[in-house]
Amino acid sequence: GAGVSQSPSNKVTEKGKDVELRCDPISGHTALYWYRQSLGQGLEFLIYFQGNSAPDKSGLPSDRFSAERTGGSVSTLTIQRTQQEDSAVYLCASERTTDTQYFGPGTRLTVL
Amino acid sequence: QKEVEQDPGPLSVPEGAIVSLNCTYSNSAFQYFMWYRQYSRKGPELLMYTYSSGNKEDGRFTAQVDKSSKYISLFIRDSQPSDSATYLCAPSTGTASKLTFGTGTRLQVTL
Repeated sequence: GAGVSQSPSNKVTEKGKDVELRCDPISGHTALYWYRQSLGQGLEFLIYFQGNSAPDKSGLPSDRFSAERTGGSVSTLTIQRTQQEDSAVYLCASERTTDTQYFGPGTRLTVL
Repeated sequence: QKEVEQDPGPLSVPEGAIVSLNCTYSNSAFQYFMWYRQYSRKGPELLMYTYSSGNKEDGRFTAQVDKSSKYISLFIRDSQPSDSATYLCAPSTGTASKLTFGTGTRLQVTL
């Protein structure tokens, strides 16, 4: 079956612009996670959605970052007023309850 | 101090060698211990996971957890060039919980 997909695969933007990153989870997976992978920092948790519960936003680095999940499926991560330190690979993962997380290929964001 | 510590490598071994990859952690609440493999410019893929202390074997791979010393290991037997990748340990407090990743160890298996 289809895995987790993310778009775009690469995004280059200018400092100060807003960007939106999209994640399509595996069908039937109720949980969805966003992580960020940057040089020197490894993979860091950003936000977690589980069903209709309030999301766990404890990993978001600043209020410029936000995410939503519509209809319990597709999720969008939005970064406002991008900064150069936002350059990283943004990874999405989905999970079926009592299973493990399956990752998408990531979106490579470069802020010039 | 990070919750999960992992030697970044790189670790270079000849084909056929036994590889030992290790992590230490500080959070006693971790119950599930995952190992992910990540090829260059790809997302991490789950290799195997264990629950609590003990060993788990899957083909050439063996995962080992010692909760008393907060030490996690992954052994690869008869290593192959296709095993060349970054290996990430990722413990969590439960299913449907965020993963806390080590920095990853880059492994290179040479012919």
